[in-house]
Amino acid sequence: DAGVTQSPTHLIKTRGQQVTLRCSPISGHKSVSWYQQVLGQGPQFIFQYYEKEERGRGNFPDRFSARQFPNYSSELNVNALLLGDSALYLCASSPGQANNYGYTFGSGTRLTVV
Amino acid sequence: GESVGLHLPTLSVQEGDNSIINCAYSNSASDYFIWYKQESGKGPQFIIDIRSNMDKRQGQRVTVLLNKTVKHLSLQIAATQPGDSAVYFCAENSGTYKYIFGTGTRLKVLA
Repeated sequence: DAGVTQSPTHLIKTRGQQVTLRCSPISGHKSVSWYQQVLGQGPQFIFQYYEKEERGRGNFPDRFSARQFPNYSSELNVNALLLGDSALYLCASSPGQANNYGYTFGSGTRLTVV
Repeated sequence: GESVGLHLPTLSVQEGDNSIINCAYSNSASDYFIWYKQESGKGPQFIIDIRSNMDKRQGQRVTVLLNKTVKHLSLQIAATQPGDSAVYFCAENSGTYKYIFGTGTRLKVLA
């Protein structure tokens, strides 16, 4: 079975540009969460989506947005990129909304803003 | 504020020895904890979890201990192998939609 898949794996963008990252959860998983991991730090929560609705949002500016599609895949959008947005963006899926499930993470998208 | 911290940023152990990675958490309401392993260039990989109604849980070569009194979590790896070299994170959840991760401990296994 395929795990959590993310695309692209690497991306280089210029300050001020916009970026869209994509995630496909494990088959049957209805919840997708997004995390940002800056080099040398632990992942920081950005969003959780369940059944196509936003269920939680972390302490990130409005430049960050996301959505979940009927097939439970998800996109993370970041507008007006800043150098500080350079990070590994991780998508994680879980069977349900309740956070008593362990996530399964994808390998991430490495975003570099220059 | 919310935080999950680790005592040792880097741990070096001899191959075959046991490893102990520690984690302190600050939210006494947290009731579910997970240890993740992250290898270079990969996403975090679930290792073992424990709920707050337990003190100890064992997996294959790994054991997690939870001390709620002092808000402390540890991961024990038996007979550490080169493949165990990675960064290890503890993460806590208090029944909300998010997990709080610590900054991680790098485990180096010496041959």
